[in-house]
Amino acid sequence: DAGVIQSPRHEVTEMGQEVTLRCKPISGHDYLFWYRQTMMRGLELLIYFNNNVPIDDSGMPEDRFSAKMPNASFSTLKIQPSEPRDSAVYFCASSPGTTTYEQYFGPGTRLTVT
Amino acid sequence: AQKVTQAQTEISVVEKEDVTLDCVYETRDTTYYLFWYKQPPSGELVFLIRRNSFDEQNEISGRYSWNFQKSTSSFNFTITASQVVDSAVYFCALSEVRTGTASKLTFGTGTRLQVTL
Repeated sequence: DAGVIQSPRHEVTEMGQEVTLRCKPISGHDYLFWYRQTMMRGLELLIYFNNNVPIDDSGMPEDRFSAKMPNASFSTLKIQPSEPRDSAVYFCASSPGTTTYEQYFGPGTRLTVT
Repeated sequence: AQKVTQAQTEISVVEKEDVTLDCVYETRDTTYYLFWYKQPPSGELVFLIRRNSFDEQNEISGRYSWNFQKSTSSFNFTITASQVVDSAVYFCALSEVRTGTASKLTFGTGTRLQVTL
């Protein structure tokens, strides 16, 4: 079975540019999570969806960040405009939700903003 | 607020040694889940185990074992006869449960385990 798929795996962009990260969750999983990992802040939740509906976006740093889930098999995390402090590894994870709560993570997207 | 503390930043052992990774958590919830994840040098996060707050049975899976003690709010992870392939960063995480549904994970800062020959 395919796991969580993220693209691109690496992204290098210049400050001020728009960046879009993509995620395809595991089929049948009702929950999708976006996390960010940095040396300074560790792993932190940005936003999560249940059945394509955003449930908690309190971790989204600021208005420059937005996330969408137009259908059960696709989500995007967009940063516009990007800044050097956004450099991090962004992980997408999915979970069945009920009865089993573990989250399965994608390989991550390493974002570098210069 | 929930909190997970992994006091050991880095541990180095020689292959075949046993090693225990500590995890202490804080939560006001009576129902919660605890997890361990492994992050090898390649960077992905690999799910290892889930434990719910009502199940304090210890668990063993091959060379891995987990000790959950609610009285001390700890969920420690032991690797027996460590191997070089165990070298990774290990994260302990806590999940609140709201009305029977999943929620966000609160991660500890991780423990970097280095196993040498």
